Amino acid sequence: QSVLTQPPSVSAAPGQKVTISCSGSSSNIGNNYVSWYQQLPGTAPKLLIYDNNKRPSGIPDRFSGSRSGTSATLGITGLQTGDEADYYCGTWDSSLSVEVFGTGTKVTVL
Amino acid sequence: QVQLQESGPGLVKTSETLSLTCTVSGGSISSYYWSWIRQPAGKGLEWLGRIYTSGGINYNPSLKSRVTMSVDTSKNQFSLRLSSVTAADTAVYYCAREDYGPLRSAFDIWGQGTMVTVSS
Repeated sequence: QSVLTQPPSVSAAPGQKVTISCSGSSSNIGNNYVSWYQQLPGTAPKLLIYDNNKRPSGIPDRFSGSRSGTSATLGITGLQTGDEADYYCGTWDSSLSVEVFGTGTKVTVL
Repeated sequence: QVQLQESGPGLVKTSETLSLTCTVSGGSISSYYWSWIRQPAGKGLEWLGRIYTSGGINYNPSLKSRVTMSVDTSKNQFSLRLSSVTAADTAVYYCAREDYGPLRSAFDIWGQGTMVTVSS
């Protein structure tokens, strides 16, 4: 069940910046940490951001995360053709007792 | 580094039970949470449940009556069983390690995924 809403797609030219929003509620984003995943075509998702704004080892600082209230945002600066992928937010929903993911956003580099 | 590999039948008959195993290599399965996540073609991610090596289990309530997870620490493996499958269960199934704690969760290591088709 996708209780987290993301824009279906975003696009920008190489070198530019994109932001992806993830909208939820007090039972999920509002009270639990958010993570973000990148899914390149035909591959498994990869963790990009955890605990709202932390990057795992090896993830470049072009990727950033933030949370405000019941929404979270992923930012990608210095956009590269290799960033073309689907991006998902995720968090725990305390009311549903389930891990929930966003609807997914396709990033296109123009 | 830790790697995960799913294995199991790629085709399951309608109404039967889907069984998958995830083998953990490059590290110990102990003291971690392990999850199953699936993704129908062209669609988003759905969390199926998690198991802790000490025995704690959480299932997605929407599947709770059909899903069973187990862990075999001697083989460094954990497993998924999903009963009474229908075409709606056709998806790529991923196993993943979950960094889980109070108010927080993140899937930091994923298997490559295995496609399971349900058909009569």
